[in-house]
Amino acid sequence: NAGVMQNPRHLVRRRGQEARLRCSPMKGHSHVYWYRQLPEEGLKFMVYLQKENIIDESGMPKERFSAEFPKEGPSILRIQQVVRGDSAAYFCASSPEGAYGYTFGSGTRLTVV
Amino acid sequence: KNQVEQSPQSLIILEGKNCTLQCNYTVSPFSNLRWYKQDTGRGPVSLTIMTFSENTKSNGRYTATLDADTKQSSLHITASQLSDSASYICVVIPNTDKLIFGTGTRLQVFP
Repeated sequence: NAGVMQNPRHLVRRRGQEARLRCSPMKGHSHVYWYRQLPEEGLKFMVYLQKENIIDESGMPKERFSAEFPKEGPSILRIQQVVRGDSAAYFCASSPEGAYGYTFGSGTRLTVV
Repeated sequence: KNQVEQSPQSLIILEGKNCTLQCNYTVSPFSNLRWYKQDTGRGPVSLTIMTFSENTKSNGRYTATLDADTKQSSLHITASQLSDSASYICVVIPNTDKLIFGTGTRLQVFP
């Protein structure tokens, strides 16, 4: 069991480009959560997905950000037209059911130049 | 105001010493409280999980306590090692699927 896999580990984008972050949950996990961690700050909830459904996106900025968790393949967090303020570490966590059994990935560090 | 407050913000101790990290929360009701360790550049790793009815939970040199009446939790680290240098995050889970994170305590252990 490889755990929660996130890629890429590091991503550099110029302002205005698109960033795509991928998260493959642990085997048997159908719940995926995305968090953002700004430098020197705690993790902030962004979105909670189950297969093909967004359950809670209350932490997601209304514009430029979107997330999906298709029936097949990894969950994708997409940031369009990135700005410098999007520079952060983005963590994905998965669980088999609800918040119990939460496991985090190692994160993707996005740098916008 | 953050629903989960941790103190101190940072802490430096010598190898072999003990230390205690504090977590105060206002989240109510909640189903469980967790302590995570986050090494630099890595994702958080769970150390302990306690339900609201548990008072203490140990994991090796880590012991967490919970007082649901005063809404306080602590994480005690015994005989610290250099590898304990990390951020320690208190996480409260209300009766939903959303975790509420504290901002963490950054611990540095020096030889």
